[in-house]
Amino acid sequence: AQKVTQAQTEISVVEKEDVTLDCVYETRDTTYYLFWYKQPPSGELVFLIRRNSFDEQNEISGRYSWNFQKSTSSFNFTITASQVVDSAVYFCALSERIEGSQGNLIFGKGTKLSVKP
Amino acid sequence: NAGVTQTPKFQVLKTGQSMTLQCAQDMNHNSMYWYRQDPGMGLRLIYYSASEGTTDKGEVPNGYNVSRLNKREFSLRLESAAPSQTSVYFCASSERGVGYEQYFGPGTRLTVT
Repeated sequence: AQKVTQAQTEISVVEKEDVTLDCVYETRDTTYYLFWYKQPPSGELVFLIRRNSFDEQNEISGRYSWNFQKSTSSFNFTITASQVVDSAVYFCALSERIEGSQGNLIFGKGTKLSVKP
Repeated sequence: NAGVTQTPKFQVLKTGQSMTLQCAQDMNHNSMYWYRQDPGMGLRLIYYSASEGTTDKGEVPNGYNVSRLNKREFSLRLESAAPSQTSVYFCASSERGVGYEQYFGPGTRLTVT
């Protein structure tokens, strides 16, 4: 079973639309960490945010916001007023504090976002 | 401050050839990782190193070996390349293990014919 599920494979929006990328995770741990990364067409992976399992406060950074809900095991990412530069593949990832884990990230398969002008 | 660097950026190998992918970080991080990215699969962990002198297998280690040469450098070796190893390889580092964000290199695009 997938530990991190990003059900949306591809999303296409028109510039200035708001868009939400879904992430559902699975873990038996009580202490874990969630991440979002952006991979633009140039190919590098850019860290966006980290959230630990004890902090359910939503976070906003400019046009980006994240909604963490433990009750539904979700960590969704919203881009407000999308821009063409937001076009990228976005990955959600999980890090668990279980025996033998050394912090490696378990990635979802990614959501490709295309923002059209 | 270059962050995480990888060489080479591109490589084409014939089946059976060997090569080493190099990775270095200048952030004084303890943990380093090698991932591969295949279309539609996300990133999967090949090997990791929690600290200098230690290495461990990840999800897909078969056909690979690694060396943590010192705190800065973590190399990935393909002893006998196979077409199934055609992929984009990313090296990453983090200050420590669980809970710390990882910073990624630019990737190496490897094709095995």
